[in-house]
Amino acid sequence: DAGVTQSPTHLIKTRGQQVTLRCSPISGHKSVSWYQQVLGQGPQFIFQYYEKEERGRGNFPDRFSARQFPNYSSELNVNALLLGDSALYLCASSFGSGTNTIYFGEGSWLTVV
Amino acid sequence: TQLLEQSPQFLSIQEGENLTVYCNSSSVFSSLQWYRQEPGEGPVLLVTVVTGGEVKKLKRLTFQFGDARKDSSLHITAAQTGDTGLYLCAGDVSGNTPLVFGKGTRLSVIA
Repeated sequence: DAGVTQSPTHLIKTRGQQVTLRCSPISGHKSVSWYQQVLGQGPQFIFQYYEKEERGRGNFPDRFSARQFPNYSSELNVNALLLGDSALYLCASSFGSGTNTIYFGEGSWLTVV
Repeated sequence: TQLLEQSPQFLSIQEGENLTVYCNSSSVFSSLQWYRQEPGEGPVLLVTVVTGGEVKKLKRLTFQFGDARKDSSLHITAAQTGDTGLYLCAGDVSGNTPLVFGKGTRLSVIA
């Protein structure tokens, strides 16, 4: 079975641009969470979606948005990119809405120049 | 304020040595997890502990959850170069709240 898959794996954007990151959860998993990991730090929670509804939002500005599709895949959008948005963006999936067993994808490396 | 404090931040040891890394908080967690992350990859779940005082073993790795469910430790016996990586602890307060991560312990095992 495939694990959590994310695309693209690496991308470079210019300040002010917009980016969309994609995630496919493990088959059968209905919850997707997004995390940002800046170099040298642990992952920081951005969003959780369960059954296409937002279940939680971290302390991130409104430039960050996400959605979950009927097939449980998800997209994370970031508008008006800043240099500080450069990070590894991780998607994690779980079967239910609880968070004590989640599985991460390999992440999307975003560099903003 | 970091909810989960991990120590040490960096650790460099010789192959064959033993080590312990710590994850501490003033908050009570319903569960706590340990992950290992290699450069350029996502974190990989090693273990989840849910009961105060619980001890779990995974080959040469021993995980302990504190009695009060506020802290945890990871002990590695006879470290190998393949153990090199970033060890992250993460906890959730109620089972339905987002995971909170520590900053991690970066372990380097030298042959």
